[in-house]
Amino acid sequence: AQKVTQAQTEISVVEKEDVTLDCVYETRDTTYYLFWYKQPPSGELVFLIRRNSFDEQNEISGRYSWNFQKSTSSFNFTITASQVVDSAVYFCALILANAGGTSYGKLTFGQGTILTVHP
Amino acid sequence: GAGVSQTPSNKVTEKGKYVELRCDPISGHTALYWYRQSLGQGPEFLIYFQGTGAADDSGLPNDRFFAVRPEGSVSTLKIQRTERGDSAVYLCASSPSWVGTEAFFGQGTRLTVV
Repeated sequence: AQKVTQAQTEISVVEKEDVTLDCVYETRDTTYYLFWYKQPPSGELVFLIRRNSFDEQNEISGRYSWNFQKSTSSFNFTITASQVVDSAVYFCALILANAGGTSYGKLTFGQGTILTVHP
Repeated sequence: GAGVSQTPSNKVTEKGKYVELRCDPISGHTALYWYRQSLGQGPEFLIYFQGTGAADDSGLPNDRFFAVRPEGSVSTLKIQRTERGDSAVYLCASSPSWVGTEAFFGQGTRLTVV
């Protein structure tokens, strides 16, 4: 069975600080996808990024960056120069895929990290 | 519609009653998922549909829970003999197919069993 662990329950920062959200996963499968979702107070989960298990290249998108390290089974997410609008719950998730890279079925989510950015 | 729509947004019911939660996926999306999110937890998988059929219902907690998607679009999650422990936010998501694409989530139905 798969497992996703987000050890940080809550993080509080002041605006403009950088913040890193940790995610560690467990799976015996070699082919999978990892995701980060944002859940603002409205409740809707907003997709941020997807990475497949064969691509360990780090990615930067604006103020967001992701560090995927297969050796440590980690997929950490960094927000640079945080803003109040970044306040939300952030979820890391995993989905299995077949040998051809086709993902299927259910997402396994971590417990989430509550990020509060103070002005 | 533009996004995944779930109705009602809030539902309060008495213990022992029957409830139905509705999900309208994004038009054209063939895959549909139901998750349950308890307070302070991540979403937990319940069931997913590929078209009209349930491809995986391994997350349904017991036989009081049932979901249908008769025409491959709208889905209804049905809970019989509700219990206080069923109180949670029920999230629906859809994706264009079951292969390799991210799921788009609705805002959820908050179910409270009193």
